[in-house]
Amino acid sequence: QSALTQPASVSGSPGQSLTISCTGTSNDVGTYNYVSWYQQHPGKAPKLIIYSVSYRPSGISNRFSGSKSGNTASLTISGLQAEDEADYYCSSYTSSSIVLFGGGTKLTVL
Amino acid sequence: EVQLLESGGGLVQPGGSLRLSCAASGFTFSSYAMSWVRQAPGRGLQWVSAISGSGGNTYSADSVKGQFTISRDNSKNTLYLQMNSLRAEDTAVYYCAKDNSPYFGSGRYGAYYFDSWGQGTLVTVSS
Repeated sequence: QSALTQPASVSGSPGQSLTISCTGTSNDVGTYNYVSWYQQHPGKAPKLIIYSVSYRPSGISNRFSGSKSGNTASLTISGLQAEDEADYYCSSYTSSSIVLFGGGTKLTVL
Repeated sequence: EVQLLESGGGLVQPGGSLRLSCAASGFTFSSYAMSWVRQAPGRGLQWVSAISGSGGNTYSADSVKGQFTISRDNSKNTLYLQMNSLRAEDTAVYYCAKDNSPYFGSGRYGAYYFDSWGQGTLVTVSS
């Protein structure tokens, strides 16, 4: 039950777009459209920002978008803002009937 | 408004036990699967256990199988996590999280995303 693979850190300037990848296997990301993304600010609980690969919950900015190709899912943040600086986690359901999270990506807004 | 309030965390010696609770309000508790997710200090999120809305199906990560037991009391709108034989590596903030489906584990049915989270309760295993 290894964690999904995410880059440890990414950075971008305000207004830019960036993408965070989340790589799994054919037992999870590659088979199921149950990929979700969470944003976590320091000392706070995680917050759902994308579910079922590409759907945004009500109230989440359309600057956040999700996609999937093969065993890799991606979160794209456009028009980067200072408030986007946080940790981001992907997760996926797996064929073992469990949920796996990615190791997390620290986003820095320069 | 959905509210999830965890309690029961604290300092426990290695080998000890704790029972965490999560009081839910603002939604029909029995209609949704629930999970526990933990986060060790400075580390990432780790899914721990899940239970279907009816309570009839439970699932756990290999790392806690046989050690932790998830349960729920739908009459009390409360989720539980019984943790036994605690080890230092179980030290973490434990979050309860609401799923968006009553089902968990079938693959074909279920949502497998967590749309509401509690504030977390810290469990520290240390002598």
